[in-house]
Amino acid sequence: GQNIDQPTEMTATEGAIVQINCTYQTSGFNGLFWYQQHAGEAPTFLSYNVLDGLEEKGRFSSFLSRSKGYSYLLLKELQMKDSASYLCAVLDSNYQLIWGAGTKLIIKP
Amino acid sequence: GAVVSQHPSWVICKSGTSVKIECRSLDFQATTMFWYRQFPKQSLMLMATSNEGSKATYEQGVEKDKFLINHASLTLSTLTVTSAHPEDSSFYICSASSGEDNSPLHFGNGTRLTVT
Repeated sequence: GQNIDQPTEMTATEGAIVQINCTYQTSGFNGLFWYQQHAGEAPTFLSYNVLDGLEEKGRFSSFLSRSKGYSYLLLKELQMKDSASYLCAVLDSNYQLIWGAGTKLIIKP
Repeated sequence: GAVVSQHPSWVICKSGTSVKIECRSLDFQATTMFWYRQFPKQSLMLMATSNEGSKATYEQGVEKDKFLINHASLTLSTLTVTSAHPEDSSFYICSASSGEDNSPLHFGNGTRLTVT
């Protein structure tokens, strides 16, 4: 079956760096997305990776290794507003989005 | 865990016809549902937010008369693409929230619409 795994919850300190990992097993691969979701709100797009390597976008970076079925989202210079859930989602061979359950990130002062 | 069922998962229709997509929350009451559209290798685009019992709020640029959204119950929202055209071909995905503080957003698996 298809599966996306990411930690349920992580805690980090304001100003620090945190890495949220995502591993996936899907029928085919057409890209991996990271979304940020604040409680009760619609998710907002953070990044998209389809090729191996690191994509950097300001304080957020996303890495992909297709051979390992692995991605991570790296958040630098953490701010309190970064407290949210981070969703990993993979587009499979049928262009169906397979979603992870999300990682709740708690930022402490 | 909470489950959102979206149906159909894929549909092919002819130009000019209408297509209805259903989004159901199976084990929780969804006070709010979101409808997204996604083109290949692009991010989700929020189309509209619907609250149970009230009219949907559409994002700028989304034609409300073309994309009819109904959220008549706490477990069901529907998106109807009226008079479909080939440019409406896309991937549509719904998500649902119970509306409680810190409640997660649960997503359906999406519907791939192809208009010929």
